[in-house]
Amino acid sequence: ETGVTQTPRHLVMGMTNKKSLKCEQHLGHNAMYWYKQSAKKPLELMFVYNFKEQTENNSVPSRFSPECPNSSHLFLHLHTLQPEDSALYLCASSQDLANQETQYFGPGTRLLVL
Amino acid sequence: GDSVTQMEGPVTLSEEAFLTINCTYTATGYPSLFWYVQYPGEGLQLLLKATKADDKGSNKGFEATYRKETTSFHLEKGSVQVSDSAVYFCAPHYMIYNQGGKLIFGQGTELSVKP
Repeated sequence: ETGVTQTPRHLVMGMTNKKSLKCEQHLGHNAMYWYKQSAKKPLELMFVYNFKEQTENNSVPSRFSPECPNSSHLFLHLHTLQPEDSALYLCASSQDLANQETQYFGPGTRLLVL
Repeated sequence: GDSVTQMEGPVTLSEEAFLTINCTYTATGYPSLFWYVQYPGEGLQLLLKATKADDKGSNKGFEATYRKETTSFHLEKGSVQVSDSAVYFCAPHYMIYNQGGKLIFGQGTELSVKP
């Protein structure tokens, strides 16, 4: 498989559930990103990892918990979410932070919180 | 702070029509400028870029010129096709002293091309 893959593609969860989103990149990149895409709003950068270390957390609520076990995998653990967290969650990667202007995106996970 | 403003969508055009999607950015420093495109059901992908004033980025028939005097980077295509239907994101990349860079995405402009 090539590029950036995300699973699951669609997820419906209740507010008391715990679930995880997975992202995998096959590009040999060292930086990975989580974004939230909501209708009519700018793309929101949530977290940035560089060489497995978190370098940015843009005031994201603690109900979102990222994990980066290695440079190829990125997870977003979800618990006690709110309906307003429903959105498309996009993962991206770049060669490293010095080359972050060229990012490669996965297809996203469409999340619905009931 | 650093920001980018795009024209609101959706933009609906007939096939072979001329397309312009406006984009302006804040003039902090000297950003590189990018357009990304998101086709239905897919993630964003880089469409074109320009790194200095008066540079023209081009790809797949799309063009955008870095206009420093008007802080703009409008996307144009002379004759759109149905397959161009997508959401287009303008994204300046700002260098921040001692912190690396930051890529700022606009809210996206949805383009719908009818046959």
